[in-house]
Amino acid sequence: GAGVSQSPSNKVTEKGKDVELRCDPISGHTALYWYRQRLGQGLEFLIYFQGNSAPDKSGLPSDRFSAERTGESVSTLTIQRTQQEDSAVYLCASSFSGTFPSGANVLTFGAGSRLTVL
Amino acid sequence: SQKIEQNSEALNIQEGKTATLTCNYTNYSPAYLQWYRQDPGRGPVFLLLIRENEKEKRKERLKVTFDTTLKQSLFHITASQPADSATYLCALRPGDMRFGAGTRLTVKP
Repeated sequence: GAGVSQSPSNKVTEKGKDVELRCDPISGHTALYWYRQRLGQGLEFLIYFQGNSAPDKSGLPSDRFSAERTGESVSTLTIQRTQQEDSAVYLCASSFSGTFPSGANVLTFGAGSRLTVL
Repeated sequence: SQKIEQNSEALNIQEGKTATLTCNYTNYSPAYLQWYRQDPGRGPVFLLLIRENEKEKRKERLKVTFDTTLKQSLFHITASQPADSATYLCALRPGDMRFGAGTRLTVKP
């Protein structure tokens, strides 16, 4: 697609429920990233996928968080047993790390999924 | 591990003045340094990148410098306008995919 698409744009859930957030990256982008941004705070790195390599999960805050990516396309971020502290905007980004120039990893972000845990 | 510091959480300036934002880093030698802009309710948008062998880069009213000895990048917006009000983020590349906390710039008319 023309840009990074995220869904849902807004999700309200009850504490303890599981949620799935979806990211559709720019076609041809080999790298995909998830970030969390709490209200008034900076970007918190969660996880990074690069091609067929094992993902970098070093930013996932707990084992309630997981993410999958199918090939070089759609990714799903799953939060199990949601807590109020999980309330935030979850941003997805993708990049074509092979060019512009190699290693520069210029990220294109989606508009985010706003999660509210009641 | 890498550490990125943007020295001001917030910067308020008068329209027409030059805004200067700072990005300092430690424990890393990036090949590139990137600057992004984030408006409220939106994802960050890429503005400029500068390579380690470049001292300065310009794009319209934006200027970025990169001092690998000081481990610092300065981001300047000349002739600032209220529309420049946003949060500006820096990032090191290649790297651990983390961003600085950002500086919230407000340009007052």
